[in-house]
Formats: sequence, structure tokens, C-alpha cells
Amino acid sequence: EAGVAQSPRYKIIEKRQSVAFWCNPISGHATLYWYQQILGQGPKLLIQFQNNGVVDDSQLPKDRFSAERLKGVDSTLKIQPAKLEDSAVYLCASSLGIRTAGNTIYFGEGSWLTVV
Amino acid sequence: AQTVTQSQPEMSVQEAETVTLSCTYDTSENNYYLFWYKQPPSRQMILVIRQEAYKQQNATENRFSVNFQKAAKSFSLKISDSQLGDTAMYFCAFMKHGSGYALNFGKGTSLLVTP
Repeated sequence: EAGVAQSPRYKIIEKRQSVAFWCNPISGHATLYWYQQILGQGPKLLIQFQNNGVVDDSQLPKDRFSAERLKGVDSTLKIQPAKLEDSAVYLCASSLGIRTAGNTIYFGEGSWLTVV
Repeated sequence: AQTVTQSQPEMSVQEAETVTLSCTYDTSENNYYLFWYKQPPSRQMILVIRQEAYKQQNATENRFSVNFQKAAKSFSLKISDSQLGDTAMYFCAFMKHGSGYALNFGKGTSLLVTP
């Protein structure tokens, strides 16, 4: 079974530039998550989708971050304009869905962003 | 909001020995799930073990086992017969029942297994 796919794996941009990350969840997984992991910290949830609807985006900095999940499958996370403090690994994850209690969440390998 | 605390930033163990990683959490919920994830340098989070709060029996997965103390809100991970491949960051995570089922992570413990 294919895992969660993310691209690009690595990206270096200058501050005030924009960047987009792509995620393809495990086939059949209704729930998709984007986490931000700053060096030395645990991952922090940015946004959660159930199919193509947003379940939780309370920690997403909406002035610069946006995310969408068209057709309830692939998702993109965009940052515009980027700040130095956005340097982090962006982890995409998926699970069967919120109607299945406590099901396991599977993670991709992450997209490493460095803002200089 | 639930908080997860891992009080050991770094730990070291010799190959074949046993090590225990600590985790405490704060919640007013009665129904929830707890997880340990491993993150090697590649940064992919890999599920090690999970525990449902309603289950009294501690979960085990091969060399990995947990000590779940619900009243004390403690969830430690024991790794037996440590192997060099166990070297990684280990994250404890909390999942509240019925809230969308997102994970809330601790800051992690860096484990080094030495020959």
C-alpha cells in the first residue's frame, strides 16, 4: 500500500517569497492533516480536512498560510509571503476519517522549508 | 486544551539494554487515545504503539510496551533489547475522542542507542 506522498522534499526561498507544498494521502483516507514542525519541537496542527471540508484551522496563520483540498483527495499548502520563522518541516498526514474513532494517523516524509 | 509533557529531552542507552521514556498529559476527558511515534532523521513519523484509555491492559508491540497509568495521567514507553536502529526522536501524542481526532504532540525525547 502506498504511503502519504509529499513534494517537494526540500525548498529554500527568500523571505517574502511564496511556496507551495503538495500532498497525496493514502488511498481511501478521508481525513488529511497538515502539521508544522519547527526544529526542536513537536509537530503542531495547522489544518485538518475531512474530505474537502475544513474540520479545524484554528492554528493556521491565515494572513499568510492557505490550504485547500479540492475533490477531497490531494491537498496543497501555500505560504505567501514567507517569514524567517516559517522555516520548518511541513508534515502531511492522513487517516480513514473522523467517523472512525481513534484511528491511526499516517505521516508522509515531510517537506523541509528553509527561509533565508 | 490538552498538554503533553515529555520531561526527558535526551536519553542514551546501550545496545541490548532496556530504556523507559516518560510522558505525562493533562486532560479532563475520560475517553481518549495515546500514541508513541518514532521520528528518525528522515523526519517521517512512524507509529510505534497506541493505547485506548478505556483499556486497562497495557499495549505491547514486540520490544515496545507501555505503562499506562490513567489516574496519574502517565504514559511511559519501554524499549527492551535496544537496537541501534531505535536511535531517533520519540514523541508522545494525545488524541481526544470525538473532536476530529487530531494528534497533540509533546516536545519529544531524543534517544541514542550506543554500541
